[in-house]
Amino acid sequence: NAGVTQTPKFQVLKTGQSMTLQCAQDMNHEYMSWYRQDPGMGLRLIHYSVGAGITDQGEVPNGYNVSRSTTEDFPLRLLSAAPSQTSVYFCASTRGGVPGSYEQYFGPGTRLTVT
Amino acid sequence: AQKITQTQPGMFVQEKEAVTLDCTYDTSDPSYGLFWYKQPSSGEMIFLIYQGSYDQQNATEGRYSLNFQKARKSANLVISASQLGDSAMYFCAISSNDYKLSFGAGTTVTVRA
Repeated sequence: NAGVTQTPKFQVLKTGQSMTLQCAQDMNHEYMSWYRQDPGMGLRLIHYSVGAGITDQGEVPNGYNVSRSTTEDFPLRLLSAAPSQTSVYFCASTRGGVPGSYEQYFGPGTRLTVT
Repeated sequence: AQKITQTQPGMFVQEKEAVTLDCTYDTSDPSYGLFWYKQPSSGEMIFLIYQGSYDQQNATEGRYSLNFQKARKSANLVISASQLGDSAMYFCAISSNDYKLSFGAGTTVTVRA
């Protein structure tokens, strides 16, 4: 199993550009999510999905879009990049069942810089 | 709403000694899970240990143990026999009636030889 994979590993964008961060998992997990990590802070939830076709907002959703057309993939789109979106982005997945009972598996992260 | 507080921004520990990382939480849900993750300098998030709110016994995983005090809403991580490879950032997190994780700000541990 590859687990959770993310591409790209690094990305530099100019203000106003758009891009998509890719995330895929091969564990047949129902739940997937995106977090961002800023210096000196813990991870904060951007968007999440409890299954294909179902997405919802997390704590910091502004400026980001998601969709979930398959169980495996959960891309994160930056609509118009801003310097405040400079961060490290993590994708995570976990199996369904009783919420809060299973660990989340994290991808290796994407380091994004917006100039 | 859930909240995790980690009050120790940084800690130093001598190799082979034990270290305790503090974590307090706040949630109104009766059922929840507490997690600890390790983030080395390479950046990946590594799951260490889990404690369910209804678990009677404190969780242990190798050199990691969780000192769970439900009444005090405390879930401290104990790392025994510290190794140089334990130098990393450690995050406490909580998840309750949904699958969302709320993280603390983290504690940096530096192990000295």
